[in-house]
Amino acid sequence: QQPVQSPQAVILREGEDAVINCSSSKALYSVHWYRQKHGEAPVFLMILLKGGEQKGHEKISASFNEKKQQSSLYLTASQLSYSGTYFCGTGAVYYGNNRLAFGKGNQVVVIP
Amino acid sequence: NAGVTQTPKFQVLKTGQSMTLQCAQDMNHEYMSWYRQDPGMGLRLIHYSVGAGITDQGEVPNGYNVSRSTTEDFPLRLLSAAPSQTSVYFCASSYSLTGGAGANVLTFGAGSRLTVL
Repeated sequence: QQPVQSPQAVILREGEDAVINCSSSKALYSVHWYRQKHGEAPVFLMILLKGGEQKGHEKISASFNEKKQQSSLYLTASQLSYSGTYFCGTGAVYYGNNRLAFGKGNQVVVIP
Repeated sequence: NAGVTQTPKFQVLKTGQSMTLQCAQDMNHEYMSWYRQDPGMGLRLIHYSVGAGITDQGEVPNGYNVSRSTTEDFPLRLLSAAPSQTSVYFCASSYSLTGGAGANVLTFGAGSRLTVL
């Protein structure tokens, strides 16, 4: 079952902050964030694991609320390069390895 | 180091034709997977493999076959193409950041755009 991402789209000016969210109805082991630019493949940004471990992009931060099965990605002091579609992928405890379910994406547009 | 290579990049098929999308990785990753991406639907898992000789179904496996005879290759076969299979297909290989379950980082290929008429 796909995680739910919100908001669907965000428009912000360079330097502004934004938060995008991902929630799941399943017990999660991990939450993954990827960014896709138009016409390109998704690229890994961040992984958050049950128990608090995080690994990924240095300039992007995220949180994972294990009890609520929710994650948020924080785009701070946004740059034009942050534009793209952000996908969260969730690794359910039940499925274990490699079976990520991706949401429909958050479209982020950063304007000068 | 090419990463994940998908071929072809573009393909047009007629309904009922069969074809194979090729995927090869040179990173010695155990895990490989196929996703399809449709407008407004995100990425949906078709099939995946946790190693040579082992495959399993994802969310939307109907109409597709896979096999994994080597670590490097993971082809996706469309047996009898239908217009509903018009999509962009991404192959991904992955490794675990921590060595444990659920910590796999996906490296995607550039995608194959398939149109079925």
